[in-house]
Amino acid sequence: KAGVTQTPRYLIKTRGQQVTLSCSPISGHRSVSWYQQTPGQGLQFLFEYFSETQRNKGNFPGRFSGRQFSNSRSEMNVSTLELGDSALYLCASSSHRDRGSEAFFGQGTRLTVV
Amino acid sequence: AQSVTQPDIHITVSEGASLELRCNYSYGATPYLFWYVQSPGQGLQLLLKYFSGDTLVQGIKGFEAEFKRSQSSFNLRKPSVHWSDAAEYFCAVGNTGGGNKLTFGTGTQLKVEL
Repeated sequence: KAGVTQTPRYLIKTRGQQVTLSCSPISGHRSVSWYQQTPGQGLQFLFEYFSETQRNKGNFPGRFSGRQFSNSRSEMNVSTLELGDSALYLCASSSHRDRGSEAFFGQGTRLTVV
Repeated sequence: AQSVTQPDIHITVSEGASLELRCNYSYGATPYLFWYVQSPGQGLQLLLKYFSGDTLVQGIKGFEAEFKRSQSSFNLRKPSVHWSDAAEYFCAVGNTGGGNKLTFGTGTQLKVEL
């Protein structure tokens, strides 16, 4: 079974630009969550989608948005990039909607904003 | 709101020595607890999880963790550390409001001396 696939793996963008990151969950998984990882703030939850509906949202500005498609693939978008958005963005998929199901993580997208 | 504390930022142990990584949580009900490991440039891999029942949980790679409600702790242990265990370890708690959101601790960086 293929794991969680995130594309691209690395990205360099300029301040003010926007970026879209993609996540393909494990086949059959309907829950996709996104996390931002930085040395200063650690792992912070961005949002979770289940069956195309946003279920939970973290404490991030509106520049961060996401969506999920009918095939469970998810994208997150960051508009008007700031230097502080440089981070590793991790996607996780889970098979169930409840809090007990295991989250499987992708390798992440390393975003650098210059 | 739930929270997780990992008091040790860095730990160094000799290969073959025992290991204990500390984790304390704050949660209003019976928590769902997880330990993840992250190697450099990689995503997170689940080591073990606690939902209910036996308070001593066995995981992959020879790791175990013990849930102690009275101390709000979920410490990770390994009897004999291997050089390949060098990585960053994260303790996490599941969401109070349902869904698959995880709240992570700040992580413990493990260095193994040969």
